[in-house]
Amino acid sequence: EDKVVQSPLSLVVHEGDTVTLNCSYEVTNFRSLLWYKQEKKAPTFLFMLTSSGIEKKSGRLSSILDKKELFSILNITATQTGDSAVYLCAVSLDAGNNRKLIWGLGTSLAVNP
Amino acid sequence: GAVVSQHPSWVICKSGTSVKIECRSLDFQATTMFWYRQFPKQSLMLMATSNEGSKATYEQGVEKDKFLINHASLTLSTLTVTSAHPEDSSFYICSARIAGGRETQYFGPGTRLLVL
Repeated sequence: EDKVVQSPLSLVVHEGDTVTLNCSYEVTNFRSLLWYKQEKKAPTFLFMLTSSGIEKKSGRLSSILDKKELFSILNITATQTGDSAVYLCAVSLDAGNNRKLIWGLGTSLAVNP
Repeated sequence: GAVVSQHPSWVICKSGTSVKIECRSLDFQATTMFWYRQFPKQSLMLMATSNEGSKATYEQGVEKDKFLINHASLTLSTLTVTSAHPEDSSFYICSARIAGGRETQYFGPGTRLLVL
């Protein structure tokens, strides 16, 4: 069965800290891995990763994929209270045109001032 | 770019009534849209995949006669919850993929449904 596992499930840090969120997967026909941020409403897209070892970066957020060890990490440096959210990891399967996403349960990040 | 809207954002209805939720891609065409359901503090649960001009593909355990999906155009998909009951109360979110694009899904803001 295809699955995506995120850790930790929950994390509380202080502003300015650096955090690393983990996402491991076991799927058939891997196509890509995506990270989303969900605050009170629906998820917003952060990154899509398809190749190992190539870091994607956007401001204080960065992410990298390891297709040999089947995991990805999302790093957030100098965290701010606005980073508080649930971070979702999803894997896209190469299975026809629909290419549905297999979702992890998310990591709930709380950044305290 | 890649903006998806949902309407309504909040619905409160009586048990037994039907509720229609609209999902629109505002600045792109979407041959494929997805409908999710999310319970508090849980992850997204895919209900069905909606393809323009064809029947939706439902996930196991999702009743197609209860959750009617119509994807009549490249920018609009609708989900109708028929004969809603309190257990259908949830957060319903749609997403859309750009036609001919990659697998990134862009999400609407969601619809909170409360069935009394």
